[in-house]
Amino acid sequence: AQTVTQSQPEMSVQEAETVTLSCTYDTSESDYYLFWYKQPPSRQMILVIRQEAYKQQNATENRFSVNFQKAAKSFSLKISDSQLGDAAMYFCAYRSYSSGTYKYIFGTGTRLKVLA
Amino acid sequence: DAGVIQSPRHEVTEMGQEVTLRCKPISGHDYLFWYRQTMMRGLELLIYFNNNVPIDDSGMPEDRFSAKMPNASFSTLKIQPSEPRDSAVYFCASSFRTDRGNTIYFGEGSWLTVV
Repeated sequence: AQTVTQSQPEMSVQEAETVTLSCTYDTSESDYYLFWYKQPPSRQMILVIRQEAYKQQNATENRFSVNFQKAAKSFSLKISDSQLGDAAMYFCAYRSYSSGTYKYIFGTGTRLKVLA
Repeated sequence: DAGVIQSPRHEVTEMGQEVTLRCKPISGHDYLFWYRQTMMRGLELLIYFNNNVPIDDSGMPEDRFSAKMPNASFSTLKIQPSEPRDSAVYFCASSFRTDRGNTIYFGEGSWLTVV
């Protein structure tokens, strides 16, 4: 069974600095997608970035980028020039597809604090 | 475009009462998911539909929970009878099969408190 692990329950970063959130996953599939979602205090889940496993190039969305290491099954999120609005819970997610069934598996989340 | 719309946003109910949560997915999306989020268990997939048909309900905790999708633009999650341990945020999400990665888009959640 696939699993997603976020080993950092909480992280802090100074405003304008860079922070990296870790995520590892376990799967036997070769074709899958990985996602990072942000959940601010409002509780709404917002897509931050996604990565196709077949692409070697790391995905980038403005200040957000990933370091995707397929062999190591690692998918970390880097936030550059951190802003106060980046403070939120961040969830790593894996999309699997097996026997006609989709499943999205979420990690337990990392709470990011941004210090002024 | 309107996102996933959930109602009610907040509900406080007494133990034993029936609770119905509603969801309107993004127009054109063919997948609909119901998730539950608690501090203890994180984000759990309860059930999902494809083209209005339930595909995987293995996450539904027990018979007190039921979900329906009578048409492509509406789904309900019902809890009867409700218990205090059902208190959580319930998210509805939808996706389109050919969207990149079948990315799911979440509603704002329904905060349920059972007292």
